Amino acid sequence: GQSLEQPSEVTAVEGAIVQINCTYQTSGFYGLSWYQQHDGGAPTFLSYNALDGLEETGRFSSFLSRSDSYGYLLLQELQMKDSASYFCAGLDSNYQLIWGAGTKLIIKP
Amino acid sequence: IAGITQAPTSQILAAGRRMTLRCTQDMRHNAMYWYRQDLGLGLRLIHYSNTAGTTGKGEVPDGYSVSRANTDDFPLTLASAVPSQTSVYFCASSDGLSHSPLHFGNGTRLTVT
Repeated sequence: GQSLEQPSEVTAVEGAIVQINCTYQTSGFYGLSWYQQHDGGAPTFLSYNALDGLEETGRFSSFLSRSDSYGYLLLQELQMKDSASYFCAGLDSNYQLIWGAGTKLIIKP
Repeated sequence: IAGITQAPTSQILAAGRRMTLRCTQDMRHNAMYWYRQDLGLGLRLIHYSNTAGTTGKGEVPDGYSVSRANTDDFPLTLASAVPSQTSVYFCASSDGLSHSPLHFGNGTRLTVT
């Protein structure tokens, strides 16, 4: 079956850099997306990697290596408002998203 | 403001009752989706619709049905609710291209007692 693994929780300090990893087990994904969800809120789209390499959007960057079945989300200059859950999601052969269980990012002042 | 509207925001439902969760979007998106979110399990796709008039089954379709009579509306029906359907339900839409981001509604918190 298809699955995506990510750490359940990551803790970092305000102003620091944090990396949230995502590994997947599948015969092949067409791309990897990242979403942010604050407690009680709806998921919101952050980034999509169709090709291997790094995509940068402001303080957030996302990386994909399809040969390693691995990706990560990098958050720089952490702010308290970045405290949220982060989900990786892979686009499968039916063009449907398969979601990881999410990583809760805790930021300490 | 363009987006997705879900109703109700929350609901407590007795087991065995029928319930329809409503979802409306005003972005003229082709594709719409229903997900459930349970603690520790992330989002799981229930049903989807790639365009008006068509629907498909997702990862966990049993006990749920959908219809897509027009572009804007995508209701989700629980014919006879069971406690295991207690969850937060999110409706989402996209323009249907493979890499397009999903836009989510604010969710419906459903408790089946």
